[in-house]
Amino acid sequence: GAVVSQHPSWVICKSGTSVKIECRSLDFQATTMFWYRQFPKQSLMLMATSNEGSKATYEQGVEKDKFLINHASLTLSTLTVTSAHPEDSSFYICSAKFPAYEQYFGPGTRLTVT
Amino acid sequence: AQSVTQPDIHITVSEGASLELRCNYSYGATPYLFWYVQSPGQGLQLLLKYFSGDTLVQGIKGFEAEFKRSQSSFNLRKPSVHWSDAAEYFCAVGGMDSNYQLIWGAGTKLIIKP
Repeated sequence: GAVVSQHPSWVICKSGTSVKIECRSLDFQATTMFWYRQFPKQSLMLMATSNEGSKATYEQGVEKDKFLINHASLTLSTLTVTSAHPEDSSFYICSAKFPAYEQYFGPGTRLTVT
Repeated sequence: AQSVTQPDIHITVSEGASLELRCNYSYGATPYLFWYVQSPGQGLQLLLKYFSGDTLVQGIKGFEAEFKRSQSSFNLRKPSVHWSDAAEYFCAVGGMDSNYQLIWGAGTKLIIKP
């Protein structure tokens, strides 16, 4: 089946630093990837849609300058949380759009900002 | 407005008993419907999907779901649950109206009693 990986699986960083999260589709090419944020005991909140070779489309209320998304190849999208603050601590999940409208999800990245 | 409602925040079922998780949606165009499962510490896994055709769809791990257009529902069922089914279950809808982005329900936490 389609496999999506995320790295790192968890990261702790200090307030004010930046963190990059990678999302890779391992056995298929994904022209579209999605980035989600999940708060404890809540559903997924779509942050942005990432299309290979073009700028990401951010959902309303998501700061594009804070959450930088790059989709430089058909198998890799990155999310960089810039100048992280404790309120950015969350579980970040990526997914890759598979043909026939399915999405396959990475295992998620737990970010803790101290 | 497009939305997905999972009316049960959590459900407790005895091991071996049958299960039904409810999902209702509001969507303008032909919906593509999905059920995902999220186990603790793991990523989201696609259980099953409905695009068209037979309204009763079979998924992995013994799950099935029935699409009822007249009721705008896509309920998930399993005839006999196992302790390993304890997890969070998410219903999602997507399609052309949402540019194939998924609209998520709030999730239902399944608790299995021994």
